[in-house]
Amino acid sequence: AQSVSQHNHHVILSEAASLELGCNYSYGGTVNLFWYVQYPGQHLQLLLKYFSGDPLVKGIKGFEAEFIKSKFSFNLRKPSVQWSDTAEYFCAVKGTASKLTFGTGTRLQVTL
Amino acid sequence: GAGVSQSPSNKVTEKGKDVELRCDPISGHTALYWYRQRLGQGLEFLIYFQGNSAPDKSGLPSDRFSAERTGESVSTLTIQRTQQEDSAVYLCASSSDWGVATDTQYFGPGTRLTVL
Repeated sequence: AQSVSQHNHHVILSEAASLELGCNYSYGGTVNLFWYVQYPGQHLQLLLKYFSGDPLVKGIKGFEAEFIKSKFSFNLRKPSVQWSDTAEYFCAVKGTASKLTFGTGTRLQVTL
Repeated sequence: GAGVSQSPSNKVTEKGKDVELRCDPISGHTALYWYRQRLGQGLEFLIYFQGNSAPDKSGLPSDRFSAERTGESVSTLTIQRTQQEDSAVYLCASSSDWGVATDTQYFGPGTRLTVL
């Protein structure tokens, strides 16, 4: 069975700080990887996704993630966070089945 | 509308009552998924529908949970004899490329269910 671990449950950063949120997955086959974001009061939105090819994928709002197969990781990064990035971030994996398996989420709080 | 819609947005019910939650997928999306998010936890898969194929019910937690879908449109998730542990946000998602590696799910706003 596939599983996803997000090690950081709550992260607090000042504006302009760099961000890295960890995501590790457990699955033996080919995976598709996703980061979703949920801004306060809004629904879950796709931030970026990896299917194949270049392991460094770029998403919306300056976010990127790197797939490292040897480490079963798909960490999310942003060089300089903004107050508007305050949200909950979810990593998800899809294997051969169509369903997504999610991590427990990381709550990011960006202070001014 | 352009996105997935769900109703009601909030539902408060008493223990033992039945509830129905509705999802309208994005037009043209053949696949529809239901997930549940309990407080402090990630989303957990419940069930999905793809076209006329038999649904994958492998995530339904008990026989009190059931879901239907009419063609490639509306879906209803029904919870019978609700229990307090059913309290959660129920999310619906849809996608257009089921079975294709690049298939991406788009989520609705969810229904927050509170069982008293």
